[in-house]
Amino acid sequence: KNQVEQSPQSLIILEGKNCTLQCNYTVSPFSNLRWYKQDTGRGPVSLTIMTFSENTKSNGRYTATLDADTKQSSLHITASQLSDSASYICVVGDRGSTLGRLYFGRGTQLTVWP
Amino acid sequence: EADIYQTPRYLVIGTGKKITLECSQTMGHDKMYWYQQDPGMELHLIHYSYGVNSTEKGDLSSESTVSRIRTEHFPLTLESARPSHTSQYLCASGGTGSTDTQYFGPGTRLTVL
Repeated sequence: KNQVEQSPQSLIILEGKNCTLQCNYTVSPFSNLRWYKQDTGRGPVSLTIMTFSENTKSNGRYTATLDADTKQSSLHITASQLSDSASYICVVGDRGSTLGRLYFGRGTQLTVWP
Repeated sequence: EADIYQTPRYLVIGTGKKITLECSQTMGHDKMYWYQQDPGMELHLIHYSYGVNSTEKGDLSSESTVSRIRTEHFPLTLESARPSHTSQYLCASGGTGSTDTQYFGPGTRLTVL
């Protein structure tokens, strides 16, 4: 069964601190892994997309890593800001269909305190 | 900011009413999607479209229907709403490549009393 598991479920950090969110997946055959940021009551916004051959990708203060052998990914947030408070969703795409189906994790709810 | 729009943003209706959730995108994308998301849970694909006159059911069974008469427009209809339909509905669009970004609309929060 294709699954995406994220940890921790929730996280509270102080403004300016760094944090790392984890994602494990069992989706096969693997095509790509994405990280999305979802503010409360809004739609998800793409942060990074990585394919099998990529093991790291950055977008400003966000850096995603991928280990396709162990089927793990992480999202590292540097120098957190209050606006980083959101749910961060790990999404894995398969290449077993024309659609390129996406499998969503439940997200890590990050709260940044001043 | 993605050019994909959903209306209404919030909707509270009574059981048995017919509703249509609107979704429009101005990016010229062929692929469009409808997802359902409950609080704290993952997104589930309920409908998708490869292009005009193409509609398919997704992974999660849904009593809703969709249509794709124009590239930019992908409305979702519930003929008779029930409390079990209460959820957030997210529309998305994307290019044809397998790694193309999916752009999401702001969502419609539906509550059926």
